[in-house]
Amino acid sequence: TQLLEQSPQFLSIQEGENLTVYCNSSSVFSSLQWYRQEPGEGPVLLVTVVTGGEVKKLKRLTFQFGDARKDSSLHITAAQPGDTGLYLCAGANTNAGKSTFGDGTTLTVKP
Amino acid sequence: EAQVTQNPRYLITVTGKKLTVTCSQNMNHEYMSWYRQDPGLGLRQIYYSMNVEVTDKGDVPEGYKVSRKEKRNFPLILESPSPNQTSLYFCASSRTAFSGNTIYFGEGSWLTVV
Repeated sequence: TQLLEQSPQFLSIQEGENLTVYCNSSSVFSSLQWYRQEPGEGPVLLVTVVTGGEVKKLKRLTFQFGDARKDSSLHITAAQPGDTGLYLCAGANTNAGKSTFGDGTTLTVKP
Repeated sequence: EAQVTQNPRYLITVTGKKLTVTCSQNMNHEYMSWYRQDPGLGLRQIYYSMNVEVTDKGDVPEGYKVSRKEKRNFPLILESPSPNQTSLYFCASSRTAFSGNTIYFGEGSWLTVV
């Protein structure tokens, strides 16, 4: 079974601060996705990264896929209360059907 | 509107009483999957289906059954529920199993087994 470890598990910061969430594995994935989940709802896809070393930006969010495709990071610049939620990374292999999720990082941004 | 619909959203049942959680998607997606979410354990895959009549086990399939007789529906069956199956369940679908595709999740089904 492939495992994904996310850190930190919980993060509480003030509005305007920067933060980075990490997603690490000993396994190689063909792609890695980041999701955000709010209470009472299903996860919503933020980004998919497929190439080792790839960097994608989504407004104040920057996602990076490690060169070896075993790890990824999510960096948020100038966090806002609306960024509060559970952030999940998920790894998959091409056409394999199985997906592996990290345990999640619960982010709280205080006004 | 693209949707993955699960029912029921909330259910309290007793140990041993068979139940089915339905899942339906309106996007003509080939790939569908079931997950359970428990505190501190993230999302764990129960079963997935690459297409009609094609299903396979995820990481935690014990105590669950699925079927995929039609493309749009992927019900999750608990033949004899036990308290350790109390959890939040999510159904998801994507166009194909290709890992680059967007996965759409339903709103979740809270199941309590007493």
